[in-house]
Amino acid sequence: GQQLNQSPQSMFIQEGEDVSMNCTSSSIFNTWLWYKQDPGEGPVLLIALYKAGELTSNGRLTAQFGITRKDSFLNISASIPSDVGIYFCAGLPNAGNNRKLIWGLGTSLAVNP
Amino acid sequence: DGGITQSPKYLFRKEGQNVTLSCEQNLNHDAMYWYRQDPGQGLRLIYYSQIVNDFQKGDIAEGYSVSREKKESFPLTVTSAQKNPTAFYLCASSTQGDQPQHFGDGTRLSIL
Repeated sequence: GQQLNQSPQSMFIQEGEDVSMNCTSSSIFNTWLWYKQDPGEGPVLLIALYKAGELTSNGRLTAQFGITRKDSFLNISASIPSDVGIYFCAGLPNAGNNRKLIWGLGTSLAVNP
Repeated sequence: DGGITQSPKYLFRKEGQNVTLSCEQNLNHDAMYWYRQDPGQGLRLIYYSQIVNDFQKGDIAEGYSVSREKKESFPLTVTSAQKNPTAFYLCASSTQGDQPQHFGDGTRLSIL
């Protein structure tokens, strides 16, 4: 099935650094979602975006719905050890696809204390 | 507390056996989903249900079956036809098909 292009695939950073990751699609999306998954658990919704250009924050996390509606970005400021995990983007296409979410392959984040 | 409960957390299957994974939600959500997660492959949709007594195949439905007899329950059966069933299985639900999905904590299935 269709997948989003999520990058980078993995990141290893120092505590306190800022992090940026993104997802791109060849088609237009109506909704962008960002999830975080801890080992052995289910993904947890971080931020939902519904409008082109929308910029939404959740604590140290900020996500944006790209103006072209074909991409989205997630930034984490001042990373801490508990930010470790896999971050997934997911999007809902504008048309067709029986309204199923399309998922990125994830960005694995490691934080060195 | 409202949420999605998957059980068991770990499940072992012998070759040739069918096994059923449980998923229950008390969020009053109409839509429910089953995903399979393998390392490096993200989440792949197995089956989904938008309403009771109706369900649709996802991208990798072969070797799996589901039922949706009650709004709060969406069990997944991994049949013997699924030749590579070892994976982490995630159940999710949403108010409607175009709303954010909320996940359970998963069931890890292994072959003995």
